[in-house]
Amino acid sequence: AQSVAQPEDQVNVAEGNPLTVKCTYSVSGNPYLFWYVQYPNRGLQFLLKYITGDNLVKGSYGFEAEFNKSQTSFHLKKPSALVSDSALYFCAVRDLDAGNMLTFGGGTRLMVKP
Amino acid sequence: DTAVSQTPKYLVTQMGNDKSIKCEQNLGHDTMYWYKQDSKKFLKIMFSYNNKELIINETVPNRFSPKSPDKAHLNLHINSLELGDSAVYFCASSPIPGGSAPLHFGNGTRLTVT
Repeated sequence: AQSVAQPEDQVNVAEGNPLTVKCTYSVSGNPYLFWYVQYPNRGLQFLLKYITGDNLVKGSYGFEAEFNKSQTSFHLKKPSALVSDSALYFCAVRDLDAGNMLTFGGGTRLMVKP
Repeated sequence: DTAVSQTPKYLVTQMGNDKSIKCEQNLGHDTMYWYKQDSKKFLKIMFSYNNKELIINETVPNRFSPKSPDKAHLNLHINSLELGDSAVYFCASSPIPGGSAPLHFGNGTRLTVT
């Protein structure tokens, strides 16, 4: 069975500082990995994905994520946080060898303070 | 133009009632989904349809019945509503089941059962 863990319920950073939101996954085959962001009273919006190739993937709003196969991690990063980045972030995984299911992590609330 | 639209946005009803939530996508996608987000923001898939055919049916009470009249619409009917059904329900779509394409989410329907 596939699973995703986001170990931090909340991450607090100061505006202008770098941010990292952690994600680890477990699959039996090869993973497709995704990050989504959810603003209050809105649906999830796609940020970026890892399919294959370069381990560092860049996405919307200046976010990037690094795929690390040995550590089974896909941490979300941004060099300089903005107050407007404050939102709920979800990591998700799809196991290529185990059907169509997309499994989400429990979410991490990012709070960026001025 | 809204890509994935759900109605209503808010739904307040009493225990025992029957209610429906409608979803429409104008992206030309073949696959649609219903997700439930609980009070702790945890996201869980309920159903998935591909071109009007049910392909994912998670462990959901049979009081929940999805209906897909065509591939652009996926409605969710709930019978005999219970307090525990209170949650935010998200509709989503993707070009195909599985694969590397991200899901597109609606803005959710907040269901409150009193």
